[in-house]
Amino acid sequence: EVQLVESGGGLVQPGRSMRVSCAASGFTFDDYAMHWVRQAPGKGLEWVSGISWNSGGIAYADSVKGRFSISRDNAKNSLYLQMNSLRPEDTALYYCTKGYGSGIFYGMDVWGQGTTVTVSS
Amino acid sequence: DIQMTQSPSSLSASVGDRVTISCRASQSISTYLNWYQQKPGKAPKLLLYAASSLQSGVPSRFSGSGSGTDFTLTISSLQPEDFATYYCQQSYNTPCSFGQGTKLEIK
Repeated sequence: EVQLVESGGGLVQPGRSMRVSCAASGFTFDDYAMHWVRQAPGKGLEWVSGISWNSGGIAYADSVKGRFSISRDNAKNSLYLQMNSLRPEDTALYYCTKGYGSGIFYGMDVWGQGTTVTVSS
Repeated sequence: DIQMTQSPSSLSASVGDRVTISCRASQSISTYLNWYQQKPGKAPKLLLYAASSLQSGVPSRFSGSGSGTDFTLTISSLQPEDFATYYCQQSYNTPCSFGQGTKLEIK
């Protein structure tokens, strides 16, 4: 079964850092791009960042550029999002998603259940 | 950045109705357009990719069309399980933007 399981969310103060992780199983992880998508409470979907199969292609939303960093470890079938200088507006459910191609210019065909990040003092 | 605009933002319809949701891109995105369905408390699900290709396991009552800047998602005969929020998303260029969503409700 193809599965993505996020972890590492929680409550963090503004200005602090947090890293969320995603464990993938059931598919050949290093064949596919991966993404992070977030959804603030009661709001729509916002693409956050994407990384190609070999980490050669990486992109960020303007709202997180310079603060967030995406990475992957193909040996561990894992995806990460390092979030620095967190702001209250970063509060959201963060989904790990699998692209349906090796590059980041494809849609997302598998989604995890998400991990909640709350930025508040 | 490419902006994606969906219309309508919400829609009321009955079981058996034919429903159309539109999505417009602020510049041409060829057919790099994907549609997702999200039910309350659940993760989104990919319905269609490349504007008109049906994802495996998705019922054939869902179809998509369009290229360039204008796209359409059509549900040919609404079923009770189709009441949800629908999002379009462009994957032509980064940032890979989503539309604001269309909430489909029961009339």
